[in-house]
Amino acid sequence: NAGVTQTPKFQVLKTGQSMTLQCAQDMNHNSMYWYRQDPGMGLRLIYYSASEGTTDKGEVPNGYNVSRLNKREFSLRLESAAPSQTSVYFCASSPRVGLQDTQYFGPGTRLTVL
Amino acid sequence: AQSVTQLDSQVPVFEEAPVELRCNYSSSVSVYLFWYVQYPNQGLQLLLKYLSGSTLVKGINGFEAEFNKSQTSFHLRKPSVHISDTAEYFCAVNGGSQGNLIFGKGTKLSVKP
Repeated sequence: NAGVTQTPKFQVLKTGQSMTLQCAQDMNHNSMYWYRQDPGMGLRLIYYSASEGTTDKGEVPNGYNVSRLNKREFSLRLESAAPSQTSVYFCASSPRVGLQDTQYFGPGTRLTVL
Repeated sequence: AQSVTQLDSQVPVFEEAPVELRCNYSSSVSVYLFWYVQYPNQGLQLLLKYLSGSTLVKGINGFEAEFNKSQTSFHLRKPSVHISDTAEYFCAVNGGSQGNLIFGKGTKLSVKP
């Protein structure tokens, strides 16, 4: 049982390049999330998916797109990377979008945009 | 909108000393509160959560937190810390009808020998 996995672990991009961050969970969770973590800012929600087939914007969605490919997988795409998107990206999942539910986090992707 | 304030960005402490990491939240409705820990170069994992009932919540690794509704606080405590407790700790509150978490900015706990 791997939990939440993310690929890649590290990535360096040049301004304007595109890339997709992959996330998968094997816990049969309905809900999945993408966060970014910046020093002194905590975690901020980019997008979430309450269930397969639905996605919604979070606090900081500009410059990103997401795809809930199936129940297991939730990808985050940067169409034209900018230096302001240099950050650590975390994917998380929970059984449902419920106020009480624990979110389970992946190990993160460290992205640098030059 | 709900918010979370972690009052200390860094807390240095000696091994075997007690520690308290402070968290205050703003909300006028019932809340669910969480503490997550992030060890260096890892993702976050749940330490403990308050949903209802007893205001003293026990978590993993000897940590506990007390929910205080009148002071809108949810401080994390450990009576005796170890070097291995060195990590960043995040307080979070449920973010509304969609169940999204609102995180504080984190407190870096540094345990020195």
